[in-house]
Order: sequence, then structure tokens, then C-alpha cells
Amino acid sequence: DVKVTQSSRYLVKRTGEKVFLECVQDMDHENMFWYRQDPGLGLRLIYFSYDVKMKEKGDIPEGYSVSREKKERFSLILESASTNQTSMYLCASGTKISSIGFGSGTRLTVV
Amino acid sequence: AQSVTQLDSQVPVFEEAPVELRCNYSSSVSVYLFWYVQYPNQGLQLLLKYLSGSTLVKGINGFEAEFNKSQTSFHLRKPSVHISDTAEYFCAVSGGAAGNKLTFGGGTRVLVKP
Repeated sequence: DVKVTQSSRYLVKRTGEKVFLECVQDMDHENMFWYRQDPGLGLRLIYFSYDVKMKEKGDIPEGYSVSREKKERFSLILESASTNQTSMYLCASGTKISSIGFGSGTRLTVV
Repeated sequence: AQSVTQLDSQVPVFEEAPVELRCNYSSSVSVYLFWYVQYPNQGLQLLLKYLSGSTLVKGINGFEAEFNKSQTSFHLRKPSVHISDTAEYFCAVSGGAAGNKLTFGGGTRVLVKP
């Protein structure tokens, strides 16, 4: 089974802070993804990565950036957190689209 | 762009009754289809997937779904639900314009009542 670990379960940050959300997978997967989950909107793709140092924008990249320096780690960065970024953030990884696994999520509150 | 519509945001159902969760997608090309479940305070878990072959797909926990290409639907069903099926369910699609990414519907919250 895919094991995707998100470093924090809950985070509270202040408006304007730089926020790092960390995600690690232990299956040597090429593909990693960051989604945000909001009630009624389902999951929306923020960024994804097909390889080390490679990234592509998803559907809602504004206000976010990512970093993938090592294959197993994919970080989501909020350069200047805002209250509308309060959400649940889910990381996922997989070799094929048919076998993607998700982390347990990080619930971020920006005050 | 590809889109997924889950027609019901909430579905209340009594224990041991059947349930159907509706999912429609927009795509004119071949796609892969998925149903995920999210139990309270947990991540997403794959229930079942359609990649090719038989249009009736069986998944875990007694769930099944039927792929209907002409109606671009992938409805999820369970003949008899348990209290433990209380969760949020997400339909997702990949392939076509979505390429190697998953596009999700808005989710359906199922509340099983005793």
C-alpha cells in the first residue's frame, strides 16, 4: 500500500506568514499532487509534479508554489498566507493514475 | 476542461436500505473513473475504479458502480448500508483532457441513520 505522510495534521498560521506543508511518500513514485478540499467543491488540484525539480500548475495555483528537490518529498508553499487559503490540504502520490494514494490531510487555518 | 458532477450533496439513508450516489462527467474521449470514500477526519480511500472491460465494477465494502458511456455516468450503489458507511464519497475522472490527473466532483455526504 502507498504510504503518504503529511507532516502536520492541524496548522494555525497568521495572515501574511510564509507556510510550508510537507508531504513524503515511501514508494519511489514519480507523480505527486497537492489538492485542497473545500465543502461542496470537492478536491481541486493546486500543483503536481512528474519528477524531481519538475512542477506543473493545476487548476488553482494562484497564491501557491511547490518544491520537489527529492523524489520522495513534495512541499506546498504559501508565500503569504491569506484567510481564503483556510482549507484542508491533501497530498497524493502514484506511479499510475490508477493507483494513487492520499495522505490524511493537513487542516490549515489562517487567522 | 473536464468536469465531474455529483448530483446530490447529501444523502440520508436508513441502515440496511439501499443507496445510490449519482455521478456524471463531461468528456468525449476515453476516461478512467473512480470512486473514493473519506471517513471523518481521514484521507481518501479508493472504493473502486473503472479502467476498461466490464462496465459493472465491484469494489470494497460491498459497493459497486456501473459505467454508462452513452449517458457519461458512473453511479455508485450499495444494496444494504451500515452505520459505518457514513462518510463523504467522491467521484473522480482522469484521462482525456485531464491527462494523468484526477478531476473530482463536489462530493456526496452519506448519513446512515439507525
